[in-house]
Amino acid sequence: DGGITQSPKYLFRKEGQNVTLSCEQNLNHDAMYWYRQDPGQGLRLIYYSQIVNDFQKGDIAEGYSVSREKKESFPLTVTSAQKNPTAFYLCASSIGLFSEQYFGPGTRLTVT
Amino acid sequence: AQKVTQAQTEISVVEKEDVTLDCVYETRDTTYYLFWYKQPPSGELVFLIRRNSFDEQNEISGRYSWNFQKSTSSFNFTITASQVVDSAVYFCALSEALNSGGSNYKLTFGKGTLLTVNP
Repeated sequence: DGGITQSPKYLFRKEGQNVTLSCEQNLNHDAMYWYRQDPGQGLRLIYYSQIVNDFQKGDIAEGYSVSREKKESFPLTVTSAQKNPTAFYLCASSIGLFSEQYFGPGTRLTVT
Repeated sequence: AQKVTQAQTEISVVEKEDVTLDCVYETRDTTYYLFWYKQPPSGELVFLIRRNSFDEQNEISGRYSWNFQKSTSSFNFTITASQVVDSAVYFCALSEALNSGGSNYKLTFGKGTLLTVNP
């Protein structure tokens, strides 16, 4: 089955620790995205990547980092510099410009 | 800056009622795309429809229909004969070019409308 996988579904960390969220897709999509969703809010773009070895900051990139070494993978690291990391994180991919984005199941991160 | 407004925060209906979810957008782009996504309690966003700015023809897919009116910058979504399984948060989104060449783009999402369909 083609799709996007994110792991783990729930993640708990202590404040001050970096944590990496996994995102893998087997849709052969060039573009991948990371969004953050807070309760009662829409999605906000953290980072995006249009091709391998290239990525760009979105609207709320501070405190986050990414890599795109393989077409299939786009991991997101939430660093200790992120002031409010507790949120629901969604990864998405799309085949190209203006095409619809397909989303993974999300990772709910709780930092205490 | 682009903006998507979903003025209805929550809607509650009884099964079999028709319900319309409103979406109003602002953009300076002449070419753009509009989307609707469904987010059930599981959390994963499910793509429903994409519509480009040059196609104002209404679309129907089963119990779902969409009304795009460029003159009022609206892209409303109607569910006919609602069912309990339609209960979810629905997001409207607008494409936005991230650079002048238009080679990168992002989606601007509204804050969503929580639809609850009661039996």
